[in-house]
Amino acid sequence: ELKVEQNPLFLSMQEGKNYTIYCNYSTTSDRLYWYRQDPGKSLESLFVLLSNGAVKQEGRLMASLDTKARLSTLHITAAVHDLSATYFCAVDMRGADGLTFGKGTHLIIQP
Amino acid sequence: GAVVSQHPSWVICKSGTSVKIECRSLDFQATTMFWYRQFPKQSLMLMATSNEGSKATYEQGVEKDKFLINHASLTLSTLTVTSAHPEDSSFYICSASNRASSNSPLHFGNGTRLTVT
Repeated sequence: ELKVEQNPLFLSMQEGKNYTIYCNYSTTSDRLYWYRQDPGKSLESLFVLLSNGAVKQEGRLMASLDTKARLSTLHITAAVHDLSATYFCAVDMRGADGLTFGKGTHLIIQP
Repeated sequence: GAVVSQHPSWVICKSGTSVKIECRSLDFQATTMFWYRQFPKQSLMLMATSNEGSKATYEQGVEKDKFLINHASLTLSTLTVTSAHPEDSSFYICSASNRASSNSPLHFGNGTRLTVT
């Protein structure tokens, strides 16, 4: 069964703090995606990770991929309120671009 | 960059009627597009894969006769919700990939919020 498990599902943190969101998946895959979703909106692409050991950074967000452990992380550095959103990881498990999503992490960053 | 356009953004319809949602790739050709559904406070679930020039592939539990998919050109896929009922109310989102760019993320449309009364 194709499974993508994300944790935590809910995270409330203060501005300035660091935190990591974890994404485990059940089968081999060569593509892992991170998306952001604001309330009532569609998905905004954050990162595409294509190979083992891949690390990408954009601003205060950094994503990494360990294909052997079937684990990806999204690290938030010195969080700011504007990063409050729901973050999804998604995996292309069949090599055909149809994605299996994690349940999402609802992130609230308080001033 | 590549953009996927979805229309309409929202629609309200009465039970028993049908609703058509369009998904267009604006500056690239997409032989394959994908349709997802998202219920409130839940994740996205893949409904079906839309293949240009051939039949769509539906995920387990998705009724193909209820959710009709047509992919008549390389830039347009349509999803028709037939005989809609209140339980079909959801946020429907399409995506497409630009296979000409191997590192390209999958692009998502802005979504269509369907409310069936």
